[in-house]
Amino acid sequence: DSGVTQTPKHLITATGQRVTLRCSPRSGDLSVYWYQQSLDQGLQFLIQYYNGEERAKGNILERFSAQQFPDLHSELNLSSLELGDSALYFCASTIDPDSYEQYFGPGTRLTVT
Amino acid sequence: QKEVEQDPGPLSVPEGAIVSLNCTYSNSAFQYFMWYRQYSRKGPELLMYTYSSGNKEDGRFTAQVDKSSKYISLFIRDSQPSDSATYLCAMVGGTSYGKLTFGQGTILTVHP
Repeated sequence: DSGVTQTPKHLITATGQRVTLRCSPRSGDLSVYWYQQSLDQGLQFLIQYYNGEERAKGNILERFSAQQFPDLHSELNLSSLELGDSALYFCASTIDPDSYEQYFGPGTRLTVT
Repeated sequence: QKEVEQDPGPLSVPEGAIVSLNCTYSNSAFQYFMWYRQYSRKGPELLMYTYSSGNKEDGRFTAQVDKSSKYISLFIRDSQPSDSATYLCAMVGGTSYGKLTFGQGTILTVHP
């Protein structure tokens, strides 16, 4: 168990809908990362937050947004969902914002029908 | 073309075999090279990391980096059924060391 928690574990929704994925980092970690894992694209970095501020951005669609709250938990919002958004979404956390040793949560499996 | 290329396999070997997993990359800025292991229905976990070129050994695992060829490898000796997982190479460098770039992952099955 990495100490990173993600909810929900599974999410099934329809195209055009909006969902929110939640992540709680390990105790003491200030940085949160979001990744998308799909069969065709592999594991792709979406966005990083450090102590409430956006630090780095990857291949995140404009329909997706994220934020990190004062208690350090983070939420990833996905809107106007498309079939292609079906994937595993992972959150990871670290103390140091430049650490390559990232601790991953168990993921949220999103299915868009 | 992807920055990091990794053969997705799948790779199936008998218990006790030596396993070789590889990745190639195109970005010369990469400086840290990692191998993550992902069991089914779990998140990835860091297995090993190497800075720049060279070898690193940890028990049955050896990581190699050849920056001149932009090629990294992970060797698993005396493979066990518990090694069955997806192995992802990851790299980082340049301006943001938190932004990992992953390979596609290789699915490994070690059968008794």
